[in-house]
Parts: sequence; C-alpha cells; structure tokens
Amino acid sequence: QVQMMQSGTEVKKPGASVKVPCKPSGYKFINYGINWVRQAPGQGLEWMGWISPYKGDTNYAQKFQGRVTMTTDTSTSTAYMELRSLRSDDTAVYYCARDGSIGGMDVWGKGTTVTVSS
Amino acid sequence: EIVMTQSPATLSVSPGERATLSCRASQSVSSKLAWYQQKPGQAPRLLIYGASTRATGVPVRFSGSGSGTDFTLTISSLQSEDFAVYYCQQYNDWPPSYTFGQGTKLEIK
Repeated sequence: QVQMMQSGTEVKKPGASVKVPCKPSGYKFINYGINWVRQAPGQGLEWMGWISPYKGDTNYAQKFQGRVTMTTDTSTSTAYMELRSLRSDDTAVYYCARDGSIGGMDVWGKGTTVTVSS
Repeated sequence: EIVMTQSPATLSVSPGERATLSCRASQSVSSKLAWYQQKPGQAPRLLIYGASTRATGVPVRFSGSGSGTDFTLTISSLQSEDFAVYYCQQYNDWPPSYTFGQGTKLEIK
C-alpha cells in the first residue's frame, strides 16, 4: 500500500526555520517526484514546489523562492521541506504528495501542522 | 502565471441530484487539469486527471470534461459522502508545476 508518512505538529517562533519530513512507502522512492502543498487555516491549497528524488532537481513556486529548500535522502527514502524566516502567515498544514506519472498528485500524506507564534 | 478560477464558491444541492462545478484557466492548459476532493480534517484526494480520466477507485458518478480553458466536474447523483470542497488544478509537465483553484464548497441543500 502506497503511503506518505508525515509527523504531526511543529511550533516555531517568528524568524525561525522548520524542516518537515515526509517518508513514502510502498513504492520505489526514486521513481516519483514529490510535491509540497500547504493549506492555511480555512484557506485553499497552495503549491510550494516539487523535487525529484532521482536527480535532486527542484522547481519552487516563485512565492517561496529564496525561502524554501526541498531535499531528499535516498539512504532513508525521506523527503524534506525546509522553510526559513517563518512568519505568522506561514501557519498552515504542510502536505507532501506524490507526483503521479499520470498527471496530478495521486498519493498524499496526512500533513504536518506548523504553527508560527511568538 | 496561470490563474485558475472556480465557480461557484459554494454550491447547495440536495442528495440524489446532479452537481456541476466549473473551473476556468486564464490561458489554455490543454487537458492538463485535475480535480481533487477534500473533506474536513483530511488530505485532498485525486478524483480526475487529464481533465476526464477518473483516478483509481473513484466512483463512476464523478466525471470531468473540458479542454483548453473551461472545465467541468459533474457528480451525477450526490451521495452524502460527496459533500466536501473540490479543487481544480492545472499542471505543467516540465518542470513540474501546479496551480490550484480557490475551491468550491459543495454543501447539502
């Protein structure tokens, strides 16, 4: 069964950084890209970027350029999304989602809640 | 940047009736359009990709149509479990990039 495992909650102060892990299982890690999508409370979905575990290629949404870094660790089959210089409006649920070869995002994690508060 | 606009923002429909949700792109996205369903407290679920192909396990009452800039998600006979928020999303092949619409909330009338 294909799953994207994500941890529960992070609380950070403004100006800090957060590094959110995502550990897929049930498929070969390097065969599919991984997207990161966030959702602020009561708001819609916002795509942040994509990474290929095979080559490490990335593509970030312009909004997050310079503030986000997506990486993968093929030895542990884990993807990471690091967001720096956190602000209160970064408070959101952060999802990782597999980039389906068919188009769209076909498997999603349950999300990691990141709360930014002083 | 391609902007995706969904309408209406909220749609009230009775169980058993048909629901029609719209999505418009600011420029042509060909058939690179997906639809997702999201229930409260849950992650989104892929319903439709390629504008009209149902994802694995999606009931046949869900259908997608359209190409270019105008797309429609139709739910033929609403079940209680279908009341949720629906998002359209355009995608680009390379490098992979995505844009979501703002969502349509489908509520019970």
